[in-house]
Amino acid sequence: GQQVMQIPQYQHVQEGEDFTTYCNSSTTLSNIQWYKQRPGGHPVFLIQLVKSGEVKKQKRLTFQFGEAKKNSSLHITATQTTDVGTYFCAGYGGATNKLIFGTGTLLAVQP
Amino acid sequence: EAGVTQSPTHLIKTRGQQVTLRCSPISGHTSVYWYQQALGLGLQFLLWYDEGEERNRGNFPPRFSGRQFPNYSSELNVNALELEDSALYLCASRALGHTGELFFGEGSRLTVL
Repeated sequence: GQQVMQIPQYQHVQEGEDFTTYCNSSTTLSNIQWYKQRPGGHPVFLIQLVKSGEVKKQKRLTFQFGEAKKNSSLHITATQTTDVGTYFCAGYGGATNKLIFGTGTLLAVQP
Repeated sequence: EAGVTQSPTHLIKTRGQQVTLRCSPISGHTSVYWYQQALGLGLQFLLWYDEGEERNRGNFPPRFSGRQFPNYSSELNVNALELEDSALYLCASRALGHTGELFFGEGSRLTVL
C-alpha cells in the first residue's frame, strides 16, 4: 500500500537556525498537505500544494512539491521556540481518496 | 462556529472490554476520518466515512469498526481491547468538494490496562 516517509524523525536546533523536513511517497500524489501538531495537541493544517514543482511561502515557512509529485519539503528559516512540534506531510494518492500521513518530524528548538 | 468535537476526552479500559468513541464534525462537513496515534508515533489511517457510507478503511482488524449517522456524526467502536490499542484516537472532518483540508478534534485518549 501507499507509504509516506519523512526524514529526519527528530531534529534539535538552536533558536535562529534553519530547519528542513523531507517527505517522500511511494506513489504519485494528487496533492500534498502539511500539518503541525504541538506537544499534547492535535494536527493543524498549514498548507496544501497541488501543482508539480509548486512552491509556497508562509512567513518563515517555505513549502515545495516535487516535479514528480512524489516528494515535498518544508523549510523553516530562523526557527523560533513557537515552531516546536511535529510536522506531518499528508497526501491523497490513487483512487482511494484517503489521506495518508507521513511518519512526522519532531522539531525541538532550544532558546 | 464550533470545531470538531470528540468524546470522551480520556478513558481507561481493561483488556477484552469494548469502547465507543464519538465525533461530531464541523457543521456542513460530510466526511469523517478516524486516525489512531500511538504515543510518540504518527497517524495511522483507520476509517473514512462520507455521506453515511464507509468509503475506505486502513489496515486494522475487524474489531475496529464504526458508522456515520444521518447528521454526519460518527462513532468508532473497538471490541476485545488489547494493550496495544492504547492511543490517541483522532477524528477529523472535511467538507465535500473542498480542498481536502482536514479539521481535527482534540482526540480521545484511550488507555488499556
